[in-house]
Formats: sequence, C-alpha cells, structure tokens
Amino acid sequence: SQKIEQNSEALNIQEGKTATLTCNYTNYSPAYLQWYRQDPGRGPVFLLLIRENEKEKRKERLKVTFDTTLKQSLFHITASQPADSATYLCALVNSNTGKLIFGQGTTLQVKP
Amino acid sequence: ETGVTQTPRHLVMGMTNKKSLKCEQHLGHNAMYWYKQSAKKPLELMFVYNFKEQTENNSVPSRFSPECPNSSHLFLHLHTLQPEDSALYLCASSPQAQGGRGYGYTFGSGTRLTVV
Repeated sequence: SQKIEQNSEALNIQEGKTATLTCNYTNYSPAYLQWYRQDPGRGPVFLLLIRENEKEKRKERLKVTFDTTLKQSLFHITASQPADSATYLCALVNSNTGKLIFGQGTTLQVKP
Repeated sequence: ETGVTQTPRHLVMGMTNKKSLKCEQHLGHNAMYWYKQSAKKPLELMFVYNFKEQTENNSVPSRFSPECPNSSHLFLHLHTLQPEDSALYLCASSPQAQGGRGYGYTFGSGTRLTVV
C-alpha cells in the first residue's frame, strides 16, 4: 500500500543546532515533494518544493534533499531558533493521479 | 493572514443540525480544496475544484456537500454529522489543480468543528 512516513515522535533540539526531519514514502512515484510548517490551531504554510530531478533545494536557513532511489526527503533547519518550533509536514504529488498527499508531520521543539 | 479566509473559526453543532463552512480567497487562484485534519492523522483530501468544476471527491460521505459558486468562494455544507466528524476542516487554494506544475498550496486557518 502507499505510505508517507514521518517520525511521529517529537524532535527536541537545542537552539543553534541543525534540525533534521525525515520523510519516507513507499509505492509512490512523486513528480515533486513539498514541505509545510503548521503551528497549533493554524493551517499549514508552504515552505519549499523540490522536483524529482533535483537533489537539493535551499531557502535561507532551510535545506531539502530528495533521493528518489531511497524514496526519502530530508528537511534541515540550520542555526535553529525557538521560533522554528512547529509541526513540519511533507507532502508529495503522485505523478499518476496529480493528488497532493500529506504525511502526518513531525513536531520540532527548539529549546533556548 | 494568508489570503485564504475561513469562517467560522469554531463551530459546535448537534447531529441533527445543518451548517455551512465558508472559504474565500482573493489570490486569483483557480483551484480550491477541502481537507480534513483529525488528531494524530495526516490531512485527508476531501474535494478538489478546478475552475469551479469538481474534479475530485475522495469517497466523502454524502453528509458533506461542497459548493463552489465561483473561483473565489468555496462552501462545505454539513448535515446529520456524526461525532467522529469532529476535526479541523481546512480550505486551500492554488493557481491551478496539481498536474505536474508544482504549486504550493495556500491554506486558511481552518474551522474547528465539534459534533455533539
């Protein structure tokens, strides 16, 4: 069956460190993958998109990698800050159906 | 504000009530979506509208009835809901429906629905 898996356990890190979140998928052929941030009681906010022919994408302190062989994306936040504390969702578009499907998200807590 | 406005923010309704959720966007987007977010579960796609036409109904029960009168407005009409329908209902928009173009979605803040 098709699955998008993100670590359901919260990630706790110290301010200034690099946070790394993982998104694994099975039985999908994504044309691209997206990352969103969601704060409690709010809707997700789009952060970055990476296409299947791209290995890496950067935006300010954010970096996303996409390995279609491993079927995995890694999301990095460098020099993390308490304000980065949120739930981060990965989402992918199945190139066959065109649907955007979300993982359940990983909660990041950055401690001062 | 994201550009996608949802009302009401909170709604409590009985199982025999009829209510409607409203979503409005003035981003010039042509695709609009309803998602359901339950605790500890991924966002579930419910409906997709592209240029006012419904292009996706993800096996949603008929007690949820969407309406898209124009590209800027989307409604979700609710009737005879069940307690398990309690969730955060999110509206989103994008320039067009997905199809290899890679558009990020703009979400509203959602309506927190409680069915009693």
